Amino acid sequence: SYELTQPPSVSVSPGQTARITCSGDALPKKYPYWYQQKSGQAPVLVIYDDNKRPSGIPERFSASSSGTMATLTVSGAQVEDEADYYCFSTDYSGTLWVFGGGTKLTVL
Amino acid sequence: EVHLVESGGGLVLPGGSLRLSCAASGFTFSSHWMSWVRQAPGRGLEWVANIKQDGSEKNYVDSVKGRFTISRDNTKNSLYLQMNNLRAEDTAVYYCAKVIAGYWGQGTLVTVSS
Repeated sequence: SYELTQPPSVSVSPGQTARITCSGDALPKKYPYWYQQKSGQAPVLVIYDDNKRPSGIPERFSASSSGTMATLTVSGAQVEDEADYYCFSTDYSGTLWVFGGGTKLTVL
Repeated sequence: EVHLVESGGGLVLPGGSLRLSCAASGFTFSSHWMSWVRQAPGRGLEWVANIKQDGSEKNYVDSVKGRFTISRDNTKNSLYLQMNNLRAEDTAVYYCAKVIAGYWGQGTLVTVSS
């Protein structure tokens, strides 16, 4: 099996920068995707192909990677950014897909 | 506009079976890998299975191997998940998704309980 590890929670004040990490052995070879999920809603893709934003995703969302760790950064976090965030990637072979355990971002 | 609409969820007894369906529209369904992803109540997202464009390759999370079967019908733009020998821990909202493109359905709830 393959695992991606995220911190359970991150908390910031409005306007501050939130950083959510995701670690996994295959991340140097397999770019992670990042999802936002608000309560009762389907997940929304916020970052793909390492650091690209789908249409409609604010510029304050960005991502970076270093070795086996990837980071989602929310610059100037807003109250509306409160949500659960998940990284997603695959193992080296590309056959096992996996989500990280999720990080609850609190902005208050 | 992309639409993925799941159906087939419901209440089932432990050991029972259920078949989920997903109707896709708004994109070239036959050109894409497709997945099922589930989320147990109050828990995180869990990838369940995926299937290659032509159905020739299928992969599963360990916990459902031998019990669940993913399939597709490209002539009907439809994705399926046959779930057998269901357990309480399979209780979740099941999403049909093209994960790397950000296409998700609204989910269908499967409850396994006596």
